[in-house]
Amino acid sequence: DIQMTQSPASLSASLGETVTIECLASEDIYDILAWYQQKPGKSPQLLIYDASSLHTGVPSRFSGSGSGTQYSLKINSLQPEDFASYYCQNGLSAPLTFGSGTKLEIK
Amino acid sequence: QIQLVQSGPELKKPGESVKISCKASGYTFTNYGMYWVKQAPGQGLQYMGWINTETGKPTYADDFKGRFVFFLETSASTAYLQINNLKNEDMATYFCARSPMGISPYYFDYWGQGVMVTVSS
Repeated sequence: DIQMTQSPASLSASLGETVTIECLASEDIYDILAWYQQKPGKSPQLLIYDASSLHTGVPSRFSGSGSGTQYSLKINSLQPEDFASYYCQNGLSAPLTFGSGTKLEIK
Repeated sequence: QIQLVQSGPELKKPGESVKISCKASGYTFTNYGMYWVKQAPGQGLQYMGWINTETGKPTYADDFKGRFVFFLETSASTAYLQINNLKNEDMATYFCARSPMGISPYYFDYWGQGVMVTVSS
């Protein structure tokens, strides 16, 4: 099974700042990686797929990068609605494992 | 518009069974697999498995083999998750989500709203 190691587990930042979340796969997943945002009491929402493609309607301040086993999600100019939890997901092969999540909080 | 609408919250006792539904609308049901994801209170997302909506064949992740059952009512574009012999550790929110079937990549572009299952004696 492909393991997804996500860091950091939590992150405090201020409005307007830029933050980066990392995800490390246990083997090459050939950019077949997604990022999701989840707000409390809500279902996850797809942000980025294929490591760097923005899903429909997602603001351009979100971006994804990486290759092989190392991937990252960058959020520029943090807005109030960005404070949430974020998860990476292996989309290559079952089991479709998720990272353990990053909780982004307001400083 | 595309929607996955799940059934309401459940309160069950240990040892009982629960059946959760996920009704799809706005797309051709059999063009997408239906996937299930567990989220325990305060925890992350855990992949449970999926069901092929063309054939009805379920596939379970290792942690969900035995007491968990995925099945369909295709005529109603509805997928179900049944959990038998409920245990305290089954207390969680259960999400359904769709992804194209057949080959990678497997991304979840639409999700149900989640069903909270409470297990308490």
